[in-house]
Amino acid sequence: EIVMTQSPATLSVSPGERATLSCRASQSVSSNLAWYQQKPGQAPRLLIYGASTRATGIPARFSGSGSGTEFTLTISSLQSEDFAVYYCQQYNNWPQWTFGQGTKVEIK
Amino acid sequence: EVQLVQSGAEVKKPGESLKISCKGSGYSFTSYWIGWVRQMPGKGLEWMGIIYPGDSDTRYSPSFQGQVTISADKSISTAYLQWSSLKASDTAMYYCARLNNWNMNYWGQGTLVTVSS
Repeated sequence: EIVMTQSPATLSVSPGERATLSCRASQSVSSNLAWYQQKPGQAPRLLIYGASTRATGIPARFSGSGSGTEFTLTISSLQSEDFAVYYCQQYNNWPQWTFGQGTKVEIK
Repeated sequence: EVQLVQSGAEVKKPGESLKISCKGSGYSFTSYWIGWVRQMPGKGLEWMGIIYPGDSDTRYSPSFQGQVTISADKSISTAYLQWSSLKASDTAMYYCARLNNWNMNYWGQGTLVTVSS
């Protein structure tokens, strides 16, 4: 099973600042990596797929990069609605698709 | 508008059976895979399995193979997740999601399953 490790577990950021979230795979997943955002009491929402392609309707302040085993989600200027938990997920190795444990972005 | 509407919260006892549903609308139900994801209380997301309603091709995560059954009834655009004998450890929120190129771009609202004696 491919293990996805996200860091940090919690990121404290002030509104307007930049947030950088990391996701590392235990083996290469090529660019088969997605990022999801989940707010309390809500279902997850797809942000990024193919490591760097924004999903429909996702603001340009969200960007993804990386390939192989190292990936990054960047939120260029945090808005109040961006405080949430973010998960990376690899879909390279069916049927063992796996999520990271999540990074909580909280208000500093 | 694409929508996935899940059945309501359930409270069950250990050993009971359960089938929860996910009804799709606003798109061709038989043309997209539907996936199921578990989220235990206060925890992260876990991939359970997927089904292609067009031909009922089903794939399971090894962690959930034999523990649950995923099915679909394309005549009513509904996918299902079922248990034959629930355990307390099955207590979780369960989400269905529509896949597009293996990404979950539309999600149901979730079904909370509570298993307690």
